[in-house]
Amino acid sequence: DTAVSQTPKYLVTQMGNDKSIKCEQNLGHDTMYWYKQDSKKFLKIMFSYNNKELIINETVPNRFSPKSPDKAHLNLHINSLELGDSAVYFCASSLRALENEQYFGPGTRLTVT
Amino acid sequence: QQQVKQSPQSLIVQKGGISIINCAYENTAFDYFPWYQQFPGKGPALLIAIRPDVSEKKEGRFTISFNKSAKQFSLHIMDSQPGDSATYFCAAAYSSASKIIFGSGTRLSIRP
Repeated sequence: DTAVSQTPKYLVTQMGNDKSIKCEQNLGHDTMYWYKQDSKKFLKIMFSYNNKELIINETVPNRFSPKSPDKAHLNLHINSLELGDSAVYFCASSLRALENEQYFGPGTRLTVT
Repeated sequence: QQQVKQSPQSLIVQKGGISIINCAYENTAFDYFPWYQQFPGKGPALLIAIRPDVSEKKEGRFTISFNKSAKQFSLHIMDSQPGDSATYFCAAAYSSASKIIFGSGTRLSIRP
């Protein structure tokens, strides 16, 4: 009964490939997020969706495209992967858009070779 | 631009001691200050949070001290235990927006 789950946990791929990471939450929350944690552990928000609508879009290359088929799912598709995309990607959710308490998933470690 | 500055980068404390992690913020519009705890291979988990209308909040062995005039806040872990060894992140947010801005993290090791 994991609250926020992500698949896969590990992803190793070559430069230039396209890959997707999936996220699901069973908390009944309206808002979901994608964060990137780099090798120095720095955590930065990438996107946020509220009830399937994009509400936060930080300065992320347009090779990254989030998709929210319903409010319980937020997937991240990455085109033309680059070495610098190697990081741990975390999905999170909160009850509402202005609810600051966020619950994080276990992360997906992406390694681009 | 680093809006939330966290120190130290790493900290070693003896079991039973007090661990103290400090953060400073720049934007006075922030009105929510959470601390997250992250164990290796896991996602960050909310530990404790404070709003600027109080100067201190305590939950068990964890206390946040907040100094609004200095734009600083700190996490104190009393009677530190080996199980507290983790990376701790301070953060700041606006209640009028969904975005949380994280500090750079502190790797805490508690020596048995």
